[in-house]
Amino acid sequence: GAVVSQHPSWVICKSGTSVKIECRSLDFQATTMFWYRQFPKQSLMLMATSNEGSKATYEQGVEKDKFLINHASLTLSTLTVTSAHPEDSSFYICSASRARNEQFFGPGTRLTVL
Amino acid sequence: QKEVEQNSGPLSVPEGAIASLNCTYSDRGSQSFFWYRQYSGKSPELIMFIYSNGDKEDGRFTAQLNKASQYVSLLIRDSQPSDSATYLCAVNRDDYKLSFGAGTTVTVRA
Repeated sequence: GAVVSQHPSWVICKSGTSVKIECRSLDFQATTMFWYRQFPKQSLMLMATSNEGSKATYEQGVEKDKFLINHASLTLSTLTVTSAHPEDSSFYICSASRARNEQFFGPGTRLTVL
Repeated sequence: QKEVEQNSGPLSVPEGAIASLNCTYSDRGSQSFFWYRQYSGKSPELIMFIYSNGDKEDGRFTAQLNKASQYVSLLIRDSQPSDSATYLCAVNRDDYKLSFGAGTTVTVRA
């Protein structure tokens, strides 16, 4: 149990375009979903916390208008990187929480912006 | 002071030996502690969690927690080459949020 999927696993896009990443909890209902970003040889940085049916909570320094989060159901959250630029190239990872702070991670999406 | 601190390594151990990883945290109110394993280019995988002081064993892994010292550790017994990865310590920040350390890279020599 506790399987989280992400789609796509990798994406290459041109600067200025928008990219949508989906995160799904496949075998459980997630009370909360999280979006992280990880640059090479660095740890995970929390970008935002997402609860179904409510607005996402963004961490300090993360632009909410650039990283749009929609949490449509207890099993689906999406992250849209709007007007992507090369500095947004990173490994984006979602996680879903089931209970007692346990977070289960999706496989990640590697975004490359040309 | 970082919220969660780990030695970055690399920690190199021979196959069959014990790998010992350490983590300290700053928030004395933290209640939940996690160890994740991350292979290069992959996302983290939960391997252990611990909530109470003392030791918790799961197969070849043992997590140790000392809340008074704000210290949590992970022991990997009988290390295998497949254990070569980066190990991330995570501590709950507040409801449902985790703070991660920078990770310790472990290399198991065959």
